[in-house]
Amino acid sequence: AQKITQTQPGMFVQEKEAVTLDCTYDTSDPSYGLFWYKQPSSGEMIFLIYQGSYDQQNATEGRYSLNFQKARKSANLVISASQLGDSAMYFCAMREGYMDSNYQLIWGAGTKLIIKP
Amino acid sequence: GAVVSQHPSRVICKSGTSVKIECRSLDFQATTMFWYRQFPKKSLMLMATSNEGSKATYEQGVEKDKFLINHASLTLSTLTVTSAHPEDSSFYICSARALRSSDTQYFGPGTRLTVL
Repeated sequence: AQKITQTQPGMFVQEKEAVTLDCTYDTSDPSYGLFWYKQPSSGEMIFLIYQGSYDQQNATEGRYSLNFQKARKSANLVISASQLGDSAMYFCAMREGYMDSNYQLIWGAGTKLIIKP
Repeated sequence: GAVVSQHPSRVICKSGTSVKIECRSLDFQATTMFWYRQFPKKSLMLMATSNEGSKATYEQGVEKDKFLINHASLTLSTLTVTSAHPEDSSFYICSARALRSSDTQYFGPGTRLTVL
């Protein structure tokens, strides 16, 4: 079974509109972390935002926020006031356990976001 | 902070030659680094986990003798693709684990390998 599911392979959004990228996860570990990364066409993987399973509040980083709904096991990324430079692949990833010596990230398939002018 | 460099960014080599890719954490110490391979329009595929001063742990299906990993210091890990063949052509990207509250992996810019 997929541990990280990104149901939107691609999205087109008008510039300046808000965007929500979906991510659902599956784990039985009570301690986990959720990450969002952006990968522009240049290939670099840019860390955007992190949410820990025990965090009481939704994470925010500038225009990025994470809509964390623990009971639903969803961790959607919200980008406010989208810009042309937001066009990229976006990956959701999960780390199971905390500060484990050899943890791995489990990756979603990604969502290709295109911002239209 | 949390900058990871990777060198070279692009390499073209002949079949049968070996290629070394370096991954450096520039402003933090990384006890653990990861090597990924990414096929076009796909997600990252973990190849191996590299811990400073010990042997790398390879994922199933990854040939350890073909993809040699050395993590000699807290800021440097290298991946050597030995006797490269055209099927090894890919985008290779490393990450370094930052031991902070979020325990985040920070990625290098990647290396595009083309084997002729």
